[in-house]
Amino acid sequence: AQKVTQAQTEISVVEKEDVTLDCVYETRDTTYYLFWYKQPPSGELVFLIRRNSFDEQNEISGRYSWNFQKSTSSFNFTITASQVVDSAVYFCALSEGGSNQFYFGTGTSLTVIP
Amino acid sequence: ETGVTQSPTHLIKTRGQQVTLRCSSQSGHNTVSWYQQALGQGPQFIFQYYREEENGRGNFPPRFSGLQFPNYSSELNVNALELDDSALYLCASSASGSLRADTQYFGPGTRLTVL
Repeated sequence: AQKVTQAQTEISVVEKEDVTLDCVYETRDTTYYLFWYKQPPSGELVFLIRRNSFDEQNEISGRYSWNFQKSTSSFNFTITASQVVDSAVYFCALSEGGSNQFYFGTGTSLTVIP
Repeated sequence: ETGVTQSPTHLIKTRGQQVTLRCSSQSGHNTVSWYQQALGQGPQFIFQYYREEENGRGNFPPRFSGLQFPNYSSELNVNALELDDSALYLCASSASGSLRADTQYFGPGTRLTVL
């Protein structure tokens, strides 16, 4: 079974629109960690955020915000006022407590149209 | 601070050959993880090295092997290459191999094509 599901394969938005990328995870562990990474066309995965399972506070960093809801096993990512530079593939990842393995979703390809 | 570097950038091999990919970890990091990313997919965990020993392995056959050196750099070796091994191979480094999932920082990857 897939531990991390990103149901949105591709999303296109017009510049300055807000966009939310969905991530649903599955784990039986009570301690786990969630991550978001950005992969531009160059291929390098860029770290965006890390969240542990005991911290359900939402976080905002500039135009980026993350909504962590344990009740629905979701860790969604919102970009406000999108820009062309936001165009990339975004990956959600899970690491379970006691494991050093990251489980990645299949990614959401975001295209921001100028 | 130097980030994660990988070499080579691109590589073309034929089926049955062997390949070695190299990774230098970020300054201050002692743990290296390797991932395989097929086209259009998310990265798949191959294995992790901490203190020169394998510290966890994903669902990959034994022909995928690795090494970590005293300076924390690492190699990924793949024997008897198959067409399905064509992928982007990503190396990631982190600050420790503890059970707490430290953030992994990725290199630019090596694009391997097997013909």
